[in-house]
Amino acid sequence: DTEVTQTPKHLVMGMTNKKSLKCEQHMGHRAMYWYKQKAKKPPELMFVYSYEKLSINESVPSRFSPECPNSSLLNLHLHALQPEDSALYLCASSHGGQGNSPLHFGNGTRLTVT
Amino acid sequence: GESVGLHLPTLSVQEGDNSIINCAYSNSASDYFIWYKQESGKGPQFIIDIRSNMDKRQGQRVTVLLNKTVKHLSLQIAATQPGDSAVYFCAENPTWNTDKLIFGTGTRLQVFP
Repeated sequence: DTEVTQTPKHLVMGMTNKKSLKCEQHMGHRAMYWYKQKAKKPPELMFVYSYEKLSINESVPSRFSPECPNSSLLNLHLHALQPEDSALYLCASSHGGQGNSPLHFGNGTRLTVT
Repeated sequence: GESVGLHLPTLSVQEGDNSIINCAYSNSASDYFIWYKQESGKGPQFIIDIRSNMDKRQGQRVTVLLNKTVKHLSLQIAATQPGDSAVYFCAENPTWNTDKLIFGTGTRLQVFP
């Protein structure tokens, strides 16, 4: 078990659906991340929140919308996705602030867009 | 056994042997590096990290070596066990004082009896 909890574990959605991925950590970490991972590829950074503010957006399409309601929660809202967006979406957290602390990952949400 | 990352994405070693997984990073300004292990169906798991002011760091059965001159990172696993079978990623923080972490390509380690 990890200390970063992601729900749901699996999600199948149509291209016209709206869904949300959720992530929670209770380690007191102040930085939270969304990564996307395709099969047999490394995780690709999407967004970073530092102290509940969006600090990095890696030119992610607007059909992905992150939200950080508080320091323990991170959401990723999905709308009008494409089949090529099917992937494993990983959430992570770290102490944050200076970029020299390891990220702790959840086990991801396996997303399939039909 | 030894891998060279991009050119040999799969490393097969016999149980009990030492493994060396290599990673070439891209940014000479990167100041923090991490090795992760990812098993099937799971998220990446932290193994060991190293800052750019060090060239070696040891953990339990693992050692990370950093050569900043040639921008090379390696992970050595002593007495490799079947439970070490996974994909291993190096990751770097390319921008000082930010929370950005970029992953390398990855190497699959297969341990056979």
